[in-house]
Amino acid sequence: GNSVTQMEGPVTLSEEAFLTINCTYTATGYPSLFWYVQYPGEGLQLLLKATKADDKGSNKGFEATYRKETTSFHLEKGSVQVSDSAVYFCALGTSYGKLTFGQGTILTVHP
Amino acid sequence: EAQVTQNPRYLITVTGKKLTVTCSQNMNHEYMSWYRQDPGLGLRQIYYSMNVEVTDKGDVPEGYKVSRKEKRNFPLILESPSPNQTSLYFCASNSDGRYNEQFFGPGTRLTVL
Repeated sequence: GNSVTQMEGPVTLSEEAFLTINCTYTATGYPSLFWYVQYPGEGLQLLLKATKADDKGSNKGFEATYRKETTSFHLEKGSVQVSDSAVYFCALGTSYGKLTFGQGTILTVHP
Repeated sequence: EAQVTQNPRYLITVTGKKLTVTCSQNMNHEYMSWYRQDPGLGLRQIYYSMNVEVTDKGDVPEGYKVSRKEKRNFPLILESPSPNQTSLYFCASNSDGRYNEQFFGPGTRLTVL
């Protein structure tokens, strides 16, 4: 079956540090890949997506590249801000609106 | 404003007392889903619906029921709640089965005593 594995958290960084959150997946066929973000007390919001191999998704300074050869979709940001503190979920979608999520990574950014 | 709404936002109940969590979307989306979020497990899909009167089980459907009588509404029903259903529940909708983003509701925190 499909599965998503994210790096263990929590991740604690200082403001302006470089961020990487690793995500690898197992899937049959050709899934779409997503990063969702959950701010405290809120629902999930789409951060970025990639629908085919070698696509790069980007938004708000975050980037992730769909790597079919390594089955990965790592999230990166060059300079994090305090406002980026949230829980980040990697997810894959294959059909019928079904998303398979990773376990989530808590990010805390200190001033 | 395009949105998914859920009610109630918070609910404390007792084992065995039937409850319904409502979900409504105003975007005319065909696809709707219910997820539960538990620490260390991420979100897991409970049920999903591809259109009116078309529903199917997700990864963790035991103990839950759903219905889709109207396109905009997708209620989640717990006929006989148990403490292991204490969780944070999210409803979501999207217009495409695979590529489009899912829009999530604000969540319902359920505690079953």
